[in-house]
Amino acid sequence: AQKITQTQPGMFVQEKEAVTLDCTYDTSDPSYGLFWYKQPSSGEMIFLIYQGSYDQQNATEGRYSLNFQKARKSANLVISASQLGDSAMYFCAMREGGDDKIIFGKGTRLHILP
Amino acid sequence: GAVVSQHPSRVICKSGTSVKIECRSLDFQATTMFWYRQFPKQSLMLMATSNEGSKATYEQGVEKDKFLINHASLTLSTLTVTSAHPEDSSFYICSCQRGTQYFGPGTRLLVL
Repeated sequence: AQKITQTQPGMFVQEKEAVTLDCTYDTSDPSYGLFWYKQPSSGEMIFLIYQGSYDQQNATEGRYSLNFQKARKSANLVISASQLGDSAMYFCAMREGGDDKIIFGKGTRLHILP
Repeated sequence: GAVVSQHPSRVICKSGTSVKIECRSLDFQATTMFWYRQFPKQSLMLMATSNEGSKATYEQGVEKDKFLINHASLTLSTLTVTSAHPEDSSFYICSCQRGTQYFGPGTRLLVL
């Protein structure tokens, strides 16, 4: 079974609109961390935001926020006021328990339209 | 965030040759580094975990004799693709652990 599921292979969004990228995860470990990374066409992986399983509040970083719904095992990324530069691949990822490894989802390609 | 570099950024080699890729953490010491490969339009696949001063831990299905990893210091890990073949052509990316993982810019390998 997939640990991280991103059901949207591609999305097209008008500039300045808000975007929600879906991510669901599967783990039996009570302690885990969830990440979102952005990968532009250059290939570099840019860390966006982190949510710990015990964090009480949803993580926010500037225009990025993570909609963490623990019971549903979802960790959707919300980008407010999208910009052309937000066009990229976005990966959801998870780290379980004391393991250092990060497991990635298949990604969502986001296209921001002018 | 932490700065991680990779060298070279691109490499083209002939089939049968070996290629070494370096991953450096520039502003912190990393006891653990990770090596991933990414095929076009696919996700990152973890190849191995590189531990300073000890043998790397390879993921299932990754040939340790083909992908040699050396983590000789707290700031440097190297991945050597031995006897490279066209199917090894891929994007190789490393990351360093410092709380979260910080990624290098990646190395595009093309084997002719």
